[in-house]
Amino acid sequence: DVKVTQSSRYLVKRTGEKVFLECVQDMDHENMFWYRQDPGLGLRLIYFSYDVKMKEKGDIPEGYSVSREKKERFSLILESASTNQTSMYLCASRRDRAMNTEAFFGQGTRLTVV
Amino acid sequence: QQQVKQSPQSLIVQKGGISIINCAYENTAFDYFPWYQQFPGKGPALLIAIRPDVSEKKEGRFTISFNKSAKQFSLHIMDSQPGDSATYFCAAERGSYKLIFGSGTRLLVRP
Repeated sequence: DVKVTQSSRYLVKRTGEKVFLECVQDMDHENMFWYRQDPGLGLRLIYFSYDVKMKEKGDIPEGYSVSREKKERFSLILESASTNQTSMYLCASRRDRAMNTEAFFGQGTRLTVV
Repeated sequence: QQQVKQSPQSLIVQKGGISIINCAYENTAFDYFPWYQQFPGKGPALLIAIRPDVSEKKEGRFTISFNKSAKQFSLHIMDSQPGDSATYFCAAERGSYKLIFGSGTRLLVRP
């Protein structure tokens, strides 16, 4: 079974802090994604990566950056956390960009910025 | 802009009833339409998916109906069970670039 693991289930951070959310997948997937989930808005794509050191902006990249130094690990960085970044963050991986493959999600990190 | 519109936002169904969730899309280039199911405290997981060359796909109690001319697709859950209580997301994609998700439907199946 594919496993996508997010490092924290719950995080509480202060406004202005630099926040790192970590995600690791164990199935050698090329593609990794960061979404945020908010009630009534569904899942919105923040950033994705289709290869090591490669990244592309999603629909809501402002205030975020990402890092992918190794194939299995994809990090989301909040450069200066703000209260409007309080949300559920979901990491996902997919096997192959050329096909409509299944996205496997982690369990999510609920981030609260105070 | 919201490229995939999902309704209703919440749904309550009695055990044994039929649950119906609807989605409409705008981009006629979309060529893959999955549904994801999310239980509380878990990430979404793929439930069933369809491509626009077929009008219906059935897997057990779950059926996707697809209407290409109307740019709509729906999820039908037959004989709904309390264990089906979850949040359901429709999604759409062009090629394999990125999934565009709907806003989600919270389903509650009463015993």
